[in-house]
Amino acid sequence: DAGVIQSPRHEVTEMGQEVTLRCKPISGHNSLFWYRQTMMRGLELLIYFNNNVPIDDSGMPEDRFSAKMPNASFSTLKIQPSEPRDSAVYFCASSFGGAGNTIYFGEGSWLTVV
Amino acid sequence: GQQVMQIPQYQHVQEGEDFTTYCNSSTTLSNIQWYKQRPGGHPVFLIQLVKSGEVKKQKRLTFQFGEAKKNSSLHITATQTTDVGTYFCAGRGTSGSRLTFGEGTQLTVNP
Repeated sequence: DAGVIQSPRHEVTEMGQEVTLRCKPISGHNSLFWYRQTMMRGLELLIYFNNNVPIDDSGMPEDRFSAKMPNASFSTLKIQPSEPRDSAVYFCASSFGGAGNTIYFGEGSWLTVV
Repeated sequence: GQQVMQIPQYQHVQEGEDFTTYCNSSTTLSNIQWYKQRPGGHPVFLIQLVKSGEVKKQKRLTFQFGEAKKNSSLHITATQTTDVGTYFCAGRGTSGSRLTFGEGTQLTVNP
């Protein structure tokens, strides 16, 4: 079975540009998570959805970040405008049955903002 | 809110030595999970513990859940270079709450 699929795997962009990260969760999973990982801050939960509805977005750093889940098989995380401090690995993950169950991570999107 | 703390943050061992990482929660947990992230990779689920005092083994890895369900440990016997990576615990509080990840313990193994 396919795991969580993320794109792009790597992106280098200039400060001020818009960045859109995409995610396809595992089929049948009803919870989706966006995490950010950096050396300084570790693994941070940005937002999670349950049945396509945002449940907790308290980890979204600021208004430049937005996330959508228009249907059960697709989600986006958008950064506009991007800044160098946004450079990180962004993981999408999904789980079945609720946010407290086993989480399956995608391979991550490595973002560098120069 | 719920906090999950892990120690140590880093651990360097010689191949063949044992390794232990500890996880402590500020609140009682309904379950705790452990994940491993290889360098350059993504976190991968290892195991889940649910019962008070539970002990589970996976080959050289031993996982324990404390009697009070507020702490957990992962012990690796006779480390190998393949054990290199960051080990995360993640705890779930009251039913329906989401998992909270610890900061992780980064393990390096010198051959």
